[in-house]
Amino acid sequence: EVHLVESGGGLVQPGGSLRLSCAASGFTFGNYWMHWVRQAPGKGLVWLSRINVDGTITTYADSVKGRFTISRDNANNTLFLQMHSLRADDTAVYYCARALKEYGDYDCAYWGQGTLVTVSS
Amino acid sequence: SSELTQDPAVSVALGQTVRITCQGDSLRTYYASWYQQKPGQAPVLVIYGKNNRPSGIPDRFSGSSSGNTASLTITGAQAEDEADYYCNSRDSSGTRRLFGEGTKLTVL
Repeated sequence: EVHLVESGGGLVQPGGSLRLSCAASGFTFGNYWMHWVRQAPGKGLVWLSRINVDGTITTYADSVKGRFTISRDNANNTLFLQMHSLRADDTAVYYCARALKEYGDYDCAYWGQGTLVTVSS
Repeated sequence: SSELTQDPAVSVALGQTVRITCQGDSLRTYYASWYQQKPGQAPVLVIYGKNNRPSGIPDRFSGSSSGNTASLTITGAQAEDEADYYCNSRDSSGTRRLFGEGTKLTVL
């Protein structure tokens, strides 16, 4: 069974940094593109970033480009999102998601339960 | 354009058919996928590609597309279908993903 568990969320001050992790199990992690998506309280889903199977291709939404970095550790089945220069409008639940099929940038078919990031002084 | 537009809210009587739409220029090139999200839960993929359902999604869910509009149809809506529905596709570059603002479906 596919299992994704996000961690690393919490309260951070404006301008601060945080690193989110997504532990994957139940599938061959290194064969799938992965994504980060967030959802501010009471708001809709916002796609943030994607990474290919070996980490050589990364793409970002304009809202986080230059501030956030996606990466992965295939040996330890973990996806990361390093976040810098955090702002109040970055407050959201952050989800990691796995592509539907192997080796391609397919739709996000499996999602974790999310980790809450709160940016506030 | 880098936006996907959805109606904020739609309602349907129990057992009736409802269509939820999503408009955007990129939909002329790329298929939309559709996600169902219930309160406090992660999104669930219900439709992808031309009209494909992941394993476990009831066949009352279907997808279609015409021009710049993608549609999710629920034929014979059930009480458990009450949720927020989001369309998702690529932007014009094909490298980034976009979500619509979401449609809140109420089953009466």
